[in-house]
Amino acid sequence: DAKTTQPPSMDCAEGRAANLPCNHSTISGNEYVYWYRQIHSQGPQYIIHGLKNNETNEMASLIITEDRKSSTLILPHATLRDTAVYYCIVRVPNAGNNRKLIWGLGTSLAVNP
Amino acid sequence: GAVVSQHPSWVICKSGTSVKIECRSLDFQATTMFWYRQFPKQSLMLMATSNEGSKATYEQGVEKDKFLINHASLTLSTLTVTSAHPEDSSFYICSATGAGTTVYEQYFGPGTRLTVT
Repeated sequence: DAKTTQPPSMDCAEGRAANLPCNHSTISGNEYVYWYRQIHSQGPQYIIHGLKNNETNEMASLIITEDRKSSTLILPHATLRDTAVYYCIVRVPNAGNNRKLIWGLGTSLAVNP
Repeated sequence: GAVVSQHPSWVICKSGTSVKIECRSLDFQATTMFWYRQFPKQSLMLMATSNEGSKATYEQGVEKDKFLINHASLTLSTLTVTSAHPEDSSFYICSATGAGTTVYEQYFGPGTRLTVT
């Protein structure tokens, strides 16, 4: 699975958009970009995933560059409850019996009142 | 959506004793379960992958005789930390995937905080 690079920490004002970048310059053509988050002392939570088109769901939007070497997770109106560590992971879905997720250190997002 | 539970949510045990942590898939059949360990301010580290009815596959550096994993049914996997020591104190998280789950594949439990005194 490709490696990802994320800034270690970011701040965002409550109510503003939070834009979390991720670099995955060695991504393969069949690898998807997944985003998870982990609120303190809880298990990770799936947010969104995509291959090459931009994606949006009720939680966030995912913007993937045309060359697929980087992506941005957008929380359109951040709230205090969005304070968490955000992980960007790239992998091939349903890769046989080996579905390991390789976790980096992620970005610690602090949403401030 | 698919729900995974863990029990207990936290446990304190004495050094040298064994502790069992349960991971259950509540509304789907978990053909594969994963066990992670997370130390403070660190990322999740995969310990082992278990397929229902088979022996678990352990990651390099994880002692299979110390961390016993049983996945005897499609809804339950257990992790037993044998002869626990203070350095085993950590946050243990399971995840599950299986028939009927969607392309994002893994559903995570809420975690179990183990403290060994």
